[in-house]
Amino acid sequence: EAAVTQSPRSKVAVTGGKVTLSCHQTNNHDYMYWYRQDTGHGLRLIHYSYVADSTEKGDIPDGYKASRPSQENFSLILELASLSQTAVYFCASRTQDTQYFGPGTRLLVL
Amino acid sequence: AQSVTQPDARVTVSEGASLQLRCKYSYSATPYLFWYVQYPRQGLQLLLKYYSGDPVVQGVNSFEAEFSKSNSSFHLQKASVHWSDSAVYFCALSIGASSGQKLVFGQGTILKVYL
Repeated sequence: EAAVTQSPRSKVAVTGGKVTLSCHQTNNHDYMYWYRQDTGHGLRLIHYSYVADSTEKGDIPDGYKASRPSQENFSLILELASLSQTAVYFCASRTQDTQYFGPGTRLLVL
Repeated sequence: AQSVTQPDARVTVSEGASLQLRCKYSYSATPYLFWYVQYPRQGLQLLLKYYSGDPVVQGVNSFEAEFSKSNSSFHLQKASVHWSDSAVYFCALSIGASSGQKLVFGQGTILKVYL
């Protein structure tokens, strides 16, 4: 089974500050994804990548950047964190047709 | 537009009872459908998936789901639930290659199993 890890597991950030969430996968999957989960809602796609050094916008990319420096690593960057970005963020990687998720990062923006 | 709807935000059942969690989808192409489970403070874990063939698919931990094209549904079922099945369950639809094979999720159903 795919191994997807995320760091940090939780973070408190200040409004206007920069936040970087990291994701690492060890199974050589081409596709990686970043989703956010808000209380009482399903996951929504922010960015994804199918190859190193390339990222694509998902459904809700505004306020987020992504970086894929290598096949194993995929970062989500909040340049100017806002209160509305308080959520749980999940990274996933995909093999063939199934996505495998990391444990999530709980972000609180104050 | 493609969408997934889980009409029941919360379901409560007693241990040993049967369970059905409902999922309806909207998608013009052949759907690839998934059920994921999320235990408290954990990531999503795959329960089962459907692509084609037998409309009843078996998953982990005795869960199964039935696909119905005529009803645009993919309901999750279990004959006898255990208290450890308490979790949030998500139905998801995989969108095609042009969209990066992304998943569109339903809102989730919180399952509480009481003793």
